[in-house]
Amino acid sequence: QQKVQQSPESLSVPEGGMASLNCTSSDRNFQYFWWYRQHSGEGPKALMSIFSDGDKKEGRFTAHLNKASLHVSLHIRDSQPSDSALYFCAASEQSNNRIFFGDGTQLVVKP
Amino acid sequence: GPKVLQIPSHQIIDMGQMVTLNCDPVSNHLYFYWYKQILGQQMEFLVNFYNGKVMEKSKLFKDQFSVERPDGSYFTLKIQPTALEDSAVYFCASSPLLSAETLYFGSGTRLTVL
Repeated sequence: QQKVQQSPESLSVPEGGMASLNCTSSDRNFQYFWWYRQHSGEGPKALMSIFSDGDKKEGRFTAHLNKASLHVSLHIRDSQPSDSALYFCAASEQSNNRIFFGDGTQLVVKP
Repeated sequence: GPKVLQIPSHQIIDMGQMVTLNCDPVSNHLYFYWYKQILGQQMEFLVNFYNGKVMEKSKLFKDQFSVERPDGSYFTLKIQPTALEDSAVYFCASSPLLSAETLYFGSGTRLTVL
């Protein structure tokens, strides 16, 4: 069973709109969560880390973590065409840095 | 920001041959990783490496795989012999510490095994 599950698989939003991505985990040992973004032909790049319950905001990006339900979300407001990419949720346990990635959400922002 | 360099960007080889993928990690990082990505989708953990030793490896890290980083040189992933199912994009990553650390990825090496 996949340890980190993402939804939706793909998402299309208009420019200026809000994109919402979701992630759930099946492993209660996970303590640390990230959102990574991968543009075509490049490696993944970390967008945000979130380690505590609640919201974390960085510019147009807001992550939310609920450890009790093992749910993480990412909200992108005022979406731009340059935000079009593959978004990964990632998680790891406290004691090591073996980071598990979800299957990804393909985001398309249409001008 | 910090950059991880991977060489080559593409590699095409015949099944059964040996291949070495090279990675130049961020200079002050101590932990190194290889991930495998198939069809532009899921990132699969292969191995992590610290202080000259493999720390943890997944089931995907077959006996034909090996990693090393001789002093001051590249962190390498060697596959010998290669199989058709090894075709994928391989990403190297590094981090300064072990726990709760963001990984910095290279741009990947696209390996095609014919």
